[in-house]
Amino acid sequence: GNSVTQMEGPVTLSEEAFLTINCTYTATGYPSLFWYVQYPGEGLQLLLKATKADDKGSNKGFEATYRKETTSFHLEKGSVQVSDSAVYFCALSSDYGQNFVFGPGTRLSVLP
Amino acid sequence: NAGVTQTPKFRILKIGQSMTLQCTQDMNHNYMYWYRQDPGMGLKLIYYSVGAGITDKGEVPNGYNVSRSTTEDFPLRLELAAPSQTSVYFCASSYSGDRLVVELFFGEGSRLTVL
Repeated sequence: GNSVTQMEGPVTLSEEAFLTINCTYTATGYPSLFWYVQYPGEGLQLLLKATKADDKGSNKGFEATYRKETTSFHLEKGSVQVSDSAVYFCALSSDYGQNFVFGPGTRLSVLP
Repeated sequence: NAGVTQTPKFRILKIGQSMTLQCTQDMNHNYMYWYRQDPGMGLKLIYYSVGAGITDKGEVPNGYNVSRSTTEDFPLRLELAAPSQTSVYFCASSYSGDRLVVELFFGEGSRLTVL
């Protein structure tokens, strides 16, 4: 079946540090890939997405590139802020939306 | 725009009680989902629906029931609440059609405690 693997957290960084959160997936066909963010006490919000190979999703300074050859969708940000502290979930959607699968989430803490 | 609305936001139940978590969306999405999120864990799919009148089990359906009588509403019923059902529950919706997938839109969550 489909699955998503994320790097284990928690990840603790200083403000303005570079962030990478690794995500790899297993899926049949051509899934769409997503990063969701969950701030404390809130629901999940879409951060960015990519629907085909080599697409780059970007939002709020975050980027991720859909790499089919390595089945990866790593999240990056050049300079994190304290306000980026949250849990980040990698997810995929296959079968045109019938099957969303989430990774376990990576908690990020950014210290001033 | 309301998006996905869940009620209640918080609830405490006694073991053996029953309750319904309400979920409604105003985006005319055909797909709706219920997930649970246990502390420090990811999301687990309880039930989902691909349209009015159609529901199907997800990964962890035991102890729950759903119905989808309209496009907008997708209530989750807990029968005979157990401590293992203490969790945060998220309703979500999406549109799928014409070989197009729109991302999941989530409600703010319902925190349920069973004592």
